[in-house]
Amino acid sequence: DADVTQTPRNRITKTGKRIMLECSQTKGHDRMYWYRQDPGLGLRLIYYSFDVKDINKGEISDGYSVSRQAQAKFSLSLESAIPNQTALYFCATRGTGRENGYTFGSGTRLTVV
Amino acid sequence: GENVEQHPSTLSVQEGDSAVIKCTYSDSASNYFPWYKQELGKGPQLIIDIRSNVGEKKDQRIAVTLNKTAKHFSLHITETQPEDSAVYFCAASISRSSGDKLTFGTGTRLAVRP
Repeated sequence: DADVTQTPRNRITKTGKRIMLECSQTKGHDRMYWYRQDPGLGLRLIYYSFDVKDINKGEISDGYSVSRQAQAKFSLSLESAIPNQTALYFCATRGTGRENGYTFGSGTRLTVV
Repeated sequence: GENVEQHPSTLSVQEGDSAVIKCTYSDSASNYFPWYKQELGKGPQLIIDIRSNVGEKKDQRIAVTLNKTAKHFSLHITETQPEDSAVYFCAASISRSSGDKLTFGTGTRLAVRP
C-alpha cells in the first residue's frame, strides 16, 4: 500500500456541486498538506495542518475548506465547485525529523464542468 | 511570503550530457531547499535536498549547490539518461520545530534525447 493515498484519482463534477477529496497516510506523520498543481504555476499550498487540532490557510485557500479527522486523515472540500478549480490536487505529509522530506500522494485530477 | 523562481521552464539535452536547473528565492530566512522529480501520472518525489549550513551536496549523478548570499540554488544532473526525463521542482522553506511549509518553483520539464 502507498504511504499516502488519495481518493478519488479522477473526478468530474458540475459547477456548484460540493466535492470532497480524501487523503490518508500510514507514515505516522503529524504534518499534512494540500497542494494544487496547474500547468506553468507549479504547486501552490491550499491548507496545511501540523497536528489534529491545528489547521492553517495556505496561499490559495479561498473556495476550499479542510478537515483533519485524525492524525492519518486530512480531507479537502470544495463547497461550491467552479471551473477554475479544475486542477491536479496533491496531499503530502512530512515527519518532524530533520532529514524527512515531504511524501506526496499520487494526486486527484479534478475537472469542474 | 517566500517567492521561488525557477529556470528554464523546459530543457532538452542529449543523453550523456549534463543538465542544470536554477532557482532563486526571496526570503533570506529560508533554510531548507529540496528538489522533487515528478513523473507522468505520479506525485512529486524527493530526489535531493540541502540545508543552508551546507554549500553543496551530491548523490551519485545529482548534485545541488546553494549560494546563500545570492539566494540561489541549482540542481546538476550529470551523465543524463532517458529515465531522467520528468518535471523537476525546486522548493524553499523556513524549517522550524513548530512546523514549515514549502514554496515551490514553477517546474522544469527535462527531456533527455536518446
